[in-house]
Amino acid sequence: DAMVIQNPRYQVTQFGKPVTLSCSQTLNHNVMYWYQQKSSQAPKLLFHYYDKDFNNEADTPDNFQSRRPNTSFCFLDIRSPGLGDAAMYLCATSQPGPRIDNTEAFFGQGTRLTVV
Amino acid sequence: AQTVTQSQPEMSVQEAETVTLSCTYDTSESDYYLFWYKQPPSRQMILVIRQEAYKQQNATENRFSVNFQKAAKSFSLKISDSQLGDAAMYFCAYRSAANNDMRFGAGTRLTVKP
Repeated sequence: DAMVIQNPRYQVTQFGKPVTLSCSQTLNHNVMYWYQQKSSQAPKLLFHYYDKDFNNEADTPDNFQSRRPNTSFCFLDIRSPGLGDAAMYLCATSQPGPRIDNTEAFFGQGTRLTVV
Repeated sequence: AQTVTQSQPEMSVQEAETVTLSCTYDTSESDYYLFWYKQPPSRQMILVIRQEAYKQQNATENRFSVNFQKAAKSFSLKISDSQLGDAAMYFCAYRSAANNDMRFGAGTRLTVKP
C-alpha cells in the first residue's frame, strides 16, 4: 500500500548531539510537511515543501533544518537538540492546492524523540 | 496566519449516543479546506472527514458529519451512534489552498463510556 514511512519510530539522542529523522513516501505527493507534537498538544507546523520550494515557519528555531533530496524523501535535522526538543515529530504529505478533491494530508506514524 | 480553535479540551459520550465537537477558525482566505483528524493513543493520525470551502453541502462519512458555517467560520463534527473505537484525540485542521499551509487546533480528547 502507498504510504508515509518515518524512521526510526523511536530515537534517543544526547543533549547537543545532532540527530536526523527521515520520512519517505510512495504517494508521489508534491507537498511534504514536518510537525512537532508535544504531549497532548496540537501538531505545530515547522516547515513544508512544495516540490523543492521550502517554506519555513517564522517561529521555527534555526536549530531545525530540513532537506528534500527528491520527491520521495524528506529529512529533519536537529543540529543541537535541547531537552525542550523532546517530542513526537510527524511527517505528512499531500497533493498541492488549489484542487477539488484529494485535499487531505496523509501522515506517517511519527518519530518519538527523547533527549538525554 | 490562520488560527484554529477547539474550545473543548475533553468530551465524553455514552456508547451509542451522539456527540458534537466544536471548531472555529480565523482566515481572510476564500479558498481553503477543513478537516477532522483522529489520533488514537500512540497511533497514527488518520482522516475522519474533509470539507472543501467552496462546497455548501455539509460533508458526511457514515456516522460522521460536519456542520460547516462559512460565514461564522465554524466547523463542528458530529459523531452519531458512538462506538468504543471512537475514543481518541480529535483535531480540527485548516489547510490553505493558496500556499498549502496546514494548521491544527489544540484537539479534543473524546472518551466513550460503555
